[in-house]
Amino acid sequence: AQRVTQPEKLLSVFKGAPVELKCNYSYSGSPELFWYVQYSRQRLQLLLRHISRESIKGFTADLNKGETSFHLKKPFAQEEDSAMYYCALRGNTGKLIFGQGTTLQVKP
Amino acid sequence: GAGVSQSPSNKVTEKGKDVELRCDPISGHTALYWYRQSLGQGLEFLIYFQGNSAPDKSGLPSDRFSAERTGGSVSTLTIQRTQQEDSAVYLCASSHSGTPNSGANVLTFGAGSRLTVL
Repeated sequence: AQRVTQPEKLLSVFKGAPVELKCNYSYSGSPELFWYVQYSRQRLQLLLRHISRESIKGFTADLNKGETSFHLKKPFAQEEDSAMYYCALRGNTGKLIFGQGTTLQVKP
Repeated sequence: GAGVSQSPSNKVTEKGKDVELRCDPISGHTALYWYRQSLGQGLEFLIYFQGNSAPDKSGLPSDRFSAERTGGSVSTLTIQRTQQEDSAVYLCASSHSGTPNSGANVLTFGAGSRLTVL
């Protein structure tokens, strides 16, 4: 079975502080992992994928198969990063499931 | 179309009534997903269509929920005998069906249909 766990509902940090949004997954096969973001009054959109190994808006995420984690990190948070963040896992049937989401609040 | 379109954007209904929510995916996208977004529950998977394959209905919460996709394009999510706990935003998304770990697997989401059951 596919499962994604985001343990924090809310993460509140000050501008300039480091951010780490946690994501753990459970899947017996080889997963594809994603982070999606929803800014206020906007549609849900892709932030980054593990396969790309890229940095988007200063965010990075590394797939750790040993710990079954895909935590999202940014060294210096900006106010415009305030949003809802969802970790997602796509199994080999194409089914994509999401975690419960973490609201990131960056205070000035 | 340029994006994923959902209608209606808002629907208020009385408990016990049936509702239909529509999703127009991006032209050429063979994969289509429905999710339910509610406070405290995150994004709950409902159903997944992939081309001509049998849909994955494993996320539908009860037999009051059903969905179909006609001609591999437009999809309709139907909720019968609505209950107050059905109140949520229903999101539709589509993607190309690419090989695993390809860029074609990225989902494009619609704006959602907000359902309120009184």
